[in-house]
Amino acid sequence: DIQLTQSPSFLSASVGDRVTVTCRASQGIGSYLAWYQQKPGKAPKLLIYAASTLESGVPSRFSGSRSGTDFTLTISSLQPEDFATYYCQQLNTYPHTFGQGTKLEIK
Amino acid sequence: QVQLVQSGAEVRKPGASVKISCKTSGYTFTSHYLHWVRQAPGQGLEWMGIINPTDATTYYAQTFEGRVTMTSDSSTGTVYMEVSSLRSEDTAVYYCARLGSGDGYSHWGQGTLVSVSS
Repeated sequence: DIQLTQSPSFLSASVGDRVTVTCRASQGIGSYLAWYQQKPGKAPKLLIYAASTLESGVPSRFSGSRSGTDFTLTISSLQPEDFATYYCQQLNTYPHTFGQGTKLEIK
Repeated sequence: QVQLVQSGAEVRKPGASVKISCKTSGYTFTSHYLHWVRQAPGQGLEWMGIINPTDATTYYAQTFEGRVTMTSDSSTGTVYMEVSSLRSEDTAVYYCARLGSGDGYSHWGQGTLVSVSS
């Protein structure tokens, strides 16, 4: 199975900050990577697919990029509603594994 | 609009089985695979498997092979997942999900909490 290693596991930041979450795949997955946001008690919400394509309706402060097997989710200016847990997922091969998550907390 | 509506919370004893449903609407049932993902309390997301509603073929993560069965009913647009030989570690919220226009799960059910306790 393909392993996804997310870092950091926890991130403390303030409103207005620029934050970056990374996800490293254990082998090549092309651009078959998605990012999700999850709030407590809710299903995950798709933010980005194909490594850098913004899902419809997602604010443009979210962006994604790829360099080889390293992927990055960037939030350009944190808003209060962005404090949540973020997951990456590879969709290159089954099983569609997830990263372990990054919890973004208010500083 | 696309909707995935799951059945309600369940409580089971260790060793028992549970069957969860995911009723779809708003699109052609056979046009998209349905995926199942679970999340234990305070833990991350775990992919369990998929079913192709067209021909009911399935693929299960190795962790669940032999203990999970996914089925579909095209007459009602519903997919089911049964988990057998339940243990306390199976206590989790179980989600069904579907790809959107791109390679990402843009549609999710609301989740079904399964609690396993003696």
